[in-house]
Amino acid sequence: DVKVTQSSRYLVKRTGEKVFLECVQDMDHENMFWYRQDPGLGLRLIYFSYDVKMKEKGDIPEGYSVSREKKERFSLILESASTNQTSMYLCASSPSQGAHQPQHFGDGTRLSIL
Amino acid sequence: AQTVTQSQPEMSVQEAETVTLSCTYDTSESDYYLFWYKQPPSRQMILVIRQEAYKQQNATENRFSVNFQKAAKSFSLKISDSQLGDAAMYFCAYHGGNQFYFGTGTSLTVIP
Repeated sequence: DVKVTQSSRYLVKRTGEKVFLECVQDMDHENMFWYRQDPGLGLRLIYFSYDVKMKEKGDIPEGYSVSREKKERFSLILESASTNQTSMYLCASSPSQGAHQPQHFGDGTRLSIL
Repeated sequence: AQTVTQSQPEMSVQEAETVTLSCTYDTSESDYYLFWYKQPPSRQMILVIRQEAYKQQNATENRFSVNFQKAAKSFSLKISDSQLGDAAMYFCAYHGGNQFYFGTGTSLTVIP
């Protein structure tokens, strides 16, 4: 079974802090994704990566950056947290590009910015 | 960008009855995949069913089936013999090219 692990289920940070959300998958998947989920808006893609050290902007990258130094780990960074970044963050992974395989999701991190 | 529309924010169904969740999408591609995901309250999102666009036959997984109308760009999910454990948020997703696109979700309540 594919396991996507997000480092925290709940996180509370303060405005202006630099925040790191970590995601690790154990199935050697090439593709990894970060979404934020807000009521009524569904899932919106922040960033994705198809390989180590590779990243692509999604639909809402502003205020975020990512890091993928190892294949199994994909980190989301809030450079200077703001209250409008309070949300549920979901990490997902999938096998190689073009294979049209479904994504596997982590449990999510509910982030509150005070 | 492709768009996925779920026009029913909330649905309810009596236990053991059948319910259909709607999804439409917009694309100019001919090769793509469609998925339904289920997210139970405070739990992980999991795949329910998938459909390849080039297959005319509708996908079925036990009590879950889809009605895929490619020309109409419609991809509805039918849940038969609804169970309490089916209560969840359901997301329709489109996969084409390099990205996934998700709808806004339908919250399904199952009434005992």
